[in-house]
Amino acid sequence: DAKTTQPTSMDCAEGRAANLPCNHSTISGNEYVYWYRQIHSQGPQYIIHGLKNNETNEMASLIITEDRKSSTLILPHATLRDTAVYYCIVRDSGAGSYQLTFGKGTKLSVIP
Amino acid sequence: DAGITQSPRYKITETGRQVTLMCHQTWSHSYMFWYRQDLGHGLRLIYYSAAADITDKGEVPDGYVVSRSKTENFPLTLESATRSQTSVYFCASSGRRFEQFFGPGTRLTVL
Repeated sequence: DAKTTQPTSMDCAEGRAANLPCNHSTISGNEYVYWYRQIHSQGPQYIIHGLKNNETNEMASLIITEDRKSSTLILPHATLRDTAVYYCIVRDSGAGSYQLTFGKGTKLSVIP
Repeated sequence: DAGITQSPRYKITETGRQVTLMCHQTWSHSYMFWYRQDLGHGLRLIYYSAAADITDKGEVPDGYVVSRSKTENFPLTLESATRSQTSVYFCASSGRRFEQFFGPGTRLTVL
């Protein structure tokens, strides 16, 4: 019972912006959208999360649509080191709602 | 150095043996987690802990035991290893905003 839908794979040219989409049409009002990535053989790495406002940090920007049914993770200037599997995860914000359910994610390949 | 570490990084064992995977974090995070990652299944939660002496089952707990006597340590024990437990195991801890920080993983092979 997947809460999110992501494309299986994407390519992006080095130096260009990578825009990774995620659909979460059944998201409820108290659920956050989290993004993680996993570079080959390493542990997953937290990127960013948001509830309804757009968010930006040193790694990426998160754009959430007004109806919150989809979001886009933006890596502004992709480098070869950004090649990874990117996971979009929806998670309840309530106390004790700690579990992250990882789907299959999007394999992003940054091309030189 | 601050962070989350796992040991050993690689382990080969035989069916029926007991194996303990160690996880240590230096942030004093309350929550700690154990996941396993297998091809075709992604990451699945085995056990988690909300604080010292408080643990609970995740999605795939059978065959595993955990303990948490100290906040910084969260060992995972396979009491009698089986081939189906061959996997990569990741430990994670959670900070105040509930983002989880993952360790480098332990690659376990059960022969």
